[in-house]
Amino acid sequence: QKEVEQNSGPLSVPEGAIASLNCTYSDRGSQSFFWYRQYSGKSPELIMFIYSNGDKEDGRFTAQLNKASQYVSLLIRDSQPSDSATYLCAVIPRGLGAQKLVFGQGTRLTINP
Amino acid sequence: DTGVSQNPRHKITKRGQNVTFRCDPISEHNRLYWYRQTLGQGPEFLTYFQNEAQLEKSRLLSDRFSAERPKGSFSTLEIQRTEQGDSAMYLCASSYRDRASTEAFFGQGTRLTVV
Repeated sequence: QKEVEQNSGPLSVPEGAIASLNCTYSDRGSQSFFWYRQYSGKSPELIMFIYSNGDKEDGRFTAQLNKASQYVSLLIRDSQPSDSATYLCAVIPRGLGAQKLVFGQGTRLTINP
Repeated sequence: DTGVSQNPRHKITKRGQNVTFRCDPISEHNRLYWYRQTLGQGPEFLTYFQNEAQLEKSRLLSDRFSAERPKGSFSTLEIQRTEQGDSAMYLCASSYRDRASTEAFFGQGTRLTVV
């Protein structure tokens, strides 16, 4: 079982709709959760982080964390063509020394005009 | 610009040659990470430093790979005797360790092609 799992997609969403991206993780003790956006040929760009159960909103983006279900999601409201990218979920697993980010393989999102 | 800077951006090398990449982190960040990313995959962790100390290395990091961060500022990643399988994007990230924040920011990456 991979530590962080995402559906690789592609996920196709019409412009203006809500895009929903999902991620599950295997380490129940994981502490911190991140969403990165990566355009083709570019490096990952941090867009959201969440540490506590519940929702966290930032503009059109909402991150949702459910530690009991080991599930984290990203919602993008009013999707724009510029949101077309690969979205990477990353987790910091348990342990004081374990400070590295563990990434999923990413979900490719396409927003159709 | 105060972001993470990586050089070179692109490197083409012949199989068997050695290559070295440099990463300059965000100035106040004390943690520095190296990742490798191949097409269609998420970044894979290679190693990380807190200040000048290398605290963790991945099993992926064979003995042909070595990383240093001699003064706790910039870091270098060297690959000796490159192989075609080393072709990838090498990403550097930095973060500041405190209780509230562990967010890591990436540089532009160095794309390595081994021919």
